[in-house]
Amino acid sequence: EAGVAQSPRYKIIEKRQSVAFWCNPISGHATLYWYQQILGQGPKLLIQFQNNGVVDDSQLPKDRFSAERLKGVDSTLKIQPAKLEDSAVYLCASSPHPGDQPQHFGDGTRLSIL
Amino acid sequence: DAKTTQPTSMDCAEGRAANLPCNHSTISGNEYVYWYRQIHSQGPQYIIHGLKNNETNEMASLIITEDRKSSTLILPHATLRDTAVYYCIGLNQAGTALIFGKGTTLSVSS
Repeated sequence: EAGVAQSPRYKIIEKRQSVAFWCNPISGHATLYWYQQILGQGPKLLIQFQNNGVVDDSQLPKDRFSAERLKGVDSTLKIQPAKLEDSAVYLCASSPHPGDQPQHFGDGTRLSIL
Repeated sequence: DAKTTQPTSMDCAEGRAANLPCNHSTISGNEYVYWYRQIHSQGPQYIIHGLKNNETNEMASLIITEDRKSSTLILPHATLRDTAVYYCIGLNQAGTALIFGKGTTLSVSS
């Protein structure tokens, strides 16, 4: 089976610019997660979707971050405007249902803010 | 949320067993312990999980203490490709998302 696809693989922007990341989960997986991984730390959950609805966005900085999964398949995470502290790897994961293990991760988008 | 504690780093010689410990005293009686690993520039990869009994699969073995306050992940014959960060993980309160710590960086050398 095809894995979780993410693009772009790398992105470099200047602070205050906007950026978007795309994720296509494993076919048939209803649950999609976005994680932020700052250098030297483990991934931190930003938002969790069940189909096209948000299950948990308690750790998403909503003043600058937004995410959508309009048709319940692929998803986009956006940052606007970006800050220096947003430099991180953004990981997407999917699972058949909430709480199902294992979660399947993509290889992430590495974002550098100048 | 469940909290876990792991050593920052460990070394292992190729071909030897790697034993990675984890303390998870805050995990409750009905919560699983999950192990994932992350090879450089890749996303985390599931290894194994367990509740009370010891578990084994094609990748590793998991030994959980009787009081469930700690566990040990065992890679029986470590190879250079096992060099990675290993995470011992619990779930959030809702039981739907993984709570990662900083993990243990395992370096396997020849």
